[in-house]
Parts: sequence; structure tokens; C-alpha cells
Amino acid sequence: AQSVTQLGSHVSVSEGALVLLRCNYSSSVPPYLFWYVQYPNQGLQLLLKYTTGATLVKGINGFEAEFKKSETSFHLTKPSAHMSDAAEYFCAVHNFNKFYFGSGTKLNVKP
Amino acid sequence: GAGVSQSPSNKVTEKGKDVELRCDPISGHTALYWYRQRLGQGLEFLIYFQGNSAPDKSGLPSDRFSAERTGESVSTLTIQRTQQEDSAVYLCASSSLGLTYEQYFGPGTRLTVT
Repeated sequence: AQSVTQLGSHVSVSEGALVLLRCNYSSSVPPYLFWYVQYPNQGLQLLLKYTTGATLVKGINGFEAEFKKSETSFHLTKPSAHMSDAAEYFCAVHNFNKFYFGSGTKLNVKP
Repeated sequence: GAGVSQSPSNKVTEKGKDVELRCDPISGHTALYWYRQRLGQGLEFLIYFQGNSAPDKSGLPSDRFSAERTGESVSTLTIQRTQQEDSAVYLCASSSLGLTYEQYFGPGTRLTVT
């Protein structure tokens, strides 16, 4: 069975600090990988995705993620946090026509 | 349409009543997904449609839950004899199963069972 693990249900960083949100997955074959963001009282929006090719992918709002097959990880990073980044972030894996979502990480950005 | 739409946006119902939730996917998207998001929790996969067939119903929590889809358009999720634990936001997403496999999410239906 597939699973997606997001380490840390809540992460707090200061404005301007590095953002690192962790995602590990279990999969017997290389999956397609996604990060979604959910702002308060809004639907999910795609931040970035990895399908094939370059393992470092860049998304919207300055976020990027690196697919590391050997570590089965797809951690999300942003060099400098903004107050507007406060939201909940979900990692997702697509395999065999089904999506598996992590339980989410709420990012708090302190002034 | 421009995006995935869902109706109603909010539904309050009494325990034991049946409810129908509707999803209008993006035109041309062959795949459609239903998820449940309980307060403070992640997304729970319910069911997936490819066209109007549902090859994967494994996520439906009980036989009180059912879903159907008309062709490659509207889908309806029906919950019979609602229980308080059914209270959640029900999200619909559609996807064009091409190279990207990207899902586009609707705004959700917030269901409250009293």
C-alpha cells in the first residue's frame, strides 16, 4: 500500500527564515509527486509537481522541491518565508490512477 | 467552465437524513475524484471515476456512501442516513489524465450533521 508521511503537523518559522517541509513516501515504483497549498477557507492549489526529468522542481511563490529517489523524499523548501506563506501544505503521490495525500503541515510565519 | 465547481457550498442536515453533493468538473477532464477532509485532518480518498466508471471504490467508508457520474461530466456523492461523524468538507477534483496528472480542486462542500 502507498503512504505519504509529512513530518511535523505544525511548523513555525520567522519571516525571512528558511522554510523546510518534509515529505516521505512509500512506493514500489517511482511515483508522480505533488505539493498543494491550502490557504484558510480556500481550496487546494497546486504549488509544484515532479513527473519526470530534473529532480529539482520549482513552483509558484518561490517554493521548490527535490525528488530524492534513494531517500523516497520530496521535501518542500523556500529560502525566505513571507507572512503570506502561512497556510497548510499537503504532499501527494500519484500512482496507479490514485492519489495519496499526507496529513498536512500547517506553516506559521512569525513577524 | 473555468474551474471545478461544487454545490452546495454549505449543507446542514439532521442526523438520519440523506444528502446529495454535486461536482461539476472542468470540461474535458476524464478523471474525477472525491475526498473527505475532517476538521484538522488531511484528505481522505473516497472514490475515483474514469469517465463514468468507478474502478476504485475502496475509499467509501460504508454502504451509506455512493457516487455516480454522468458521462464525463457531473458527479453526485450521496450519503444516506447521515451520521454526525459524516460532518466534514467534501472535496471534488478533476484531472485530465495526461502527462501531468494534475488535479484541480473545487472549493468543497461543508457538511454539518446535527
